[in-house]
Amino acid sequence: EVQLVESGGGLVQPGGSLRLSCAASGFTFSSYWMTWVRQAPGKGLECVANIKEDGSEKYYVDSVKGRFTVSRDDAKNTLYLHMSSLRAEDTAVYYCARGTGTTGVDWGQGTLVTVSS
Amino acid sequence: EIVLTQSPGTLSLSPGERATLSCRASQSVTSNYLAWYQQRPGQAPRLLIYGASSRATGIPDRFSGSASGTDFTLTISRLEPEDFAVYYCHQYAGSLWTFGQGTKVEIK
Repeated sequence: EVQLVESGGGLVQPGGSLRLSCAASGFTFSSYWMTWVRQAPGKGLECVANIKEDGSEKYYVDSVKGRFTVSRDDAKNTLYLHMSSLRAEDTAVYYCARGTGTTGVDWGQGTLVTVSS
Repeated sequence: EIVLTQSPGTLSLSPGERATLSCRASQSVTSNYLAWYQQRPGQAPRLLIYGASSRATGIPDRFSGSASGTDFTLTISRLEPEDFAVYYCHQYAGSLWTFGQGTKVEIK
């Protein structure tokens, strides 16, 4: 069974930093693109960043470029999102996800990031 | 970037009625990598349909998806009380995934 478990969320002041983790199990982590998606309170879903299987390609939504960095450790089956210069508008539930052509999309349960003074 | 436009924004129906939700893509979606989700307040999105028309594991057969070019449809044949929620379409083919803005299915 595929499992994605996010952690690392919490309350942080504007301008601060946070690192999110996503522990993956139940599949060959190193064979898949992985993605971070967020949902601000009362809003829709937004893809934040994704990373290729070998880490050689990374993509970011414009609003986080230069502030967020996605990375992965295939030895630990873990996906990361390093977030810096956080703003109030980054407040959201952050999900990690995996998309496949054969079984669709798997999601974690999410971790809440609140940026507030 | 592929833009997904969902319609209507809100659908007011009664239990037992048929719901038809639409999602139009701004360009072709590779291999029909189009998914539909249901989301209830305070919960993570629940995958209903992937590949435009394949039901995810455990999803009742009253949920079905179809595609015609860049137009995608989610149909709920007979609404159950637990089906009143927000529904999103999602393309997962591009380098950055995109989502529709959502359709709320509410009780009339």
